[in-house]
Amino acid sequence: QKEVEQDPGPLSVPEGAIVSLNCTYSNSAFQYFMWYRQYSRKGPELLMYTYSSGNKEDGRFTAQVDKSSKYISLFIRDSQPSDSATYLCAILNTDKLIFGTGTRLQVFP
Amino acid sequence: DAMVIQNPRYQVTQFGKPVTLSCSQTLNHNVMYWYQQKSSQAPKLLFHYYDKDFNNEADTPDNFQSRRPNTSFCFLDIRSPGLGDAAMYLCATSRAPGQVNSYEQYFGPGTRLTVT
Repeated sequence: QKEVEQDPGPLSVPEGAIVSLNCTYSNSAFQYFMWYRQYSRKGPELLMYTYSSGNKEDGRFTAQVDKSSKYISLFIRDSQPSDSATYLCAILNTDKLIFGTGTRLQVFP
Repeated sequence: DAMVIQNPRYQVTQFGKPVTLSCSQTLNHNVMYWYQQKSSQAPKLLFHYYDKDFNNEADTPDNFQSRRPNTSFCFLDIRSPGLGDAAMYLCATSRAPGQVNSYEQYFGPGTRLTVT
């Protein structure tokens, strides 16, 4: 079983839609959960992180962690064409990041 | 602006011809990482430096080597590139474990390597 699993998509939605991106993980000891955004031909950039369980909100983005089911989610409200990118979930294992494969999101006008 | 810089952005090399990729940072971070990312795959950690301490991942092939001559620079050497080594190579930095926001890794734009 992979340590982090992510639905690769691609996901195509109209502008203004609510987007839900999800990952599962295997090790209940993990504590830091991150979402990175990667535009085409660019390096990943940290979008949000969550420590332990719960929700964290930043503008149109909400990160959610459910440790009981080992499930992490990123919600994007009022999606914009500029949100079109690959979204990678990542989990911090001591000082190393374990990435999911990424979900490619396309928001069309 | 503080940043992570990678050169070149695109590199073409021949099968078996050694190649070196470069990374520099102005963030003064202790930790530097090299990742390999193939198309539609997750970035895969090759190795990382904590200051001058080199940490190799168990499944990183011997063909991949790294040097960190000082805090700012780190190099990835591929001794004999094969066709399977064509990928995006990402450099990242972070603060040392225990420091504020040490969980955050800052990535460079990557070097896309083509092997012909």
